[in-house]
Amino acid sequence: GAVVSQHPSWVICKSGTSVKIECRSLDFQATTMFWYRQFPKQSLMLMATSNEGSKATYEQGVEKDKFLINHASLTLSTLTVTSAHPEDSSFYICSARGAMTGDEQYFGPGTRLTVT
Amino acid sequence: QKEVEQDPGPLSVPEGAIVSLNCTYSNSAFQYFMWYRQYSRKGPELLMYTYSSGNKEDGRFTAQVDKSSKYISLFIRDSQPSDSATYLCAMRRNSGNTPLVFGKGTRLSVIA
Repeated sequence: GAVVSQHPSWVICKSGTSVKIECRSLDFQATTMFWYRQFPKQSLMLMATSNEGSKATYEQGVEKDKFLINHASLTLSTLTVTSAHPEDSSFYICSARGAMTGDEQYFGPGTRLTVT
Repeated sequence: QKEVEQDPGPLSVPEGAIVSLNCTYSNSAFQYFMWYRQYSRKGPELLMYTYSSGNKEDGRFTAQVDKSSKYISLFIRDSQPSDSATYLCAMRRNSGNTPLVFGKGTRLSVIA
């Protein structure tokens, strides 16, 4: 149980375009989802926390107008990188938790974004 | 000083060795401690979860927490090449939606 999927697993986009990444909890209802960014050989940095039906809470230094997060249902959250630039190239990972998972977050497999 | 310090390695050991991975932290409010394993280009996988001080064992893995020293460890016995991955420690203050704070991760290679 407690499986989290992400789509796509890898995306290449041109500078200036927007790209949407989906995070789904497959076998549980995720009341909270977290979005992280990970640069090569670096740790995970929390970008934002979203509760279903509420606006996301962004970490300091993360532009909410650039990284749009929507958590419209108990099984789906999306992260849209708007007007992407090469410096946005990174590994984006979501995690989710809900009543079934207790205190624990379960991570998705990640999405590799490359902006050319 | 960063909240969580973890030696990034890389750490290379022969198959069958006992591996010791460690993190130190500065925030005494941390109460929940976790170890995650991350294979290259994959999401982290929860290995061990510990609340407060003490030891926890699961198969070849043992997690130790010493809150007085602000020091946590993960031991891997009889290490296997399949254990080769990056190991991340993580911790948080409270239960529920409190954000996890991660260490940088230690890259481990187990050589057959």
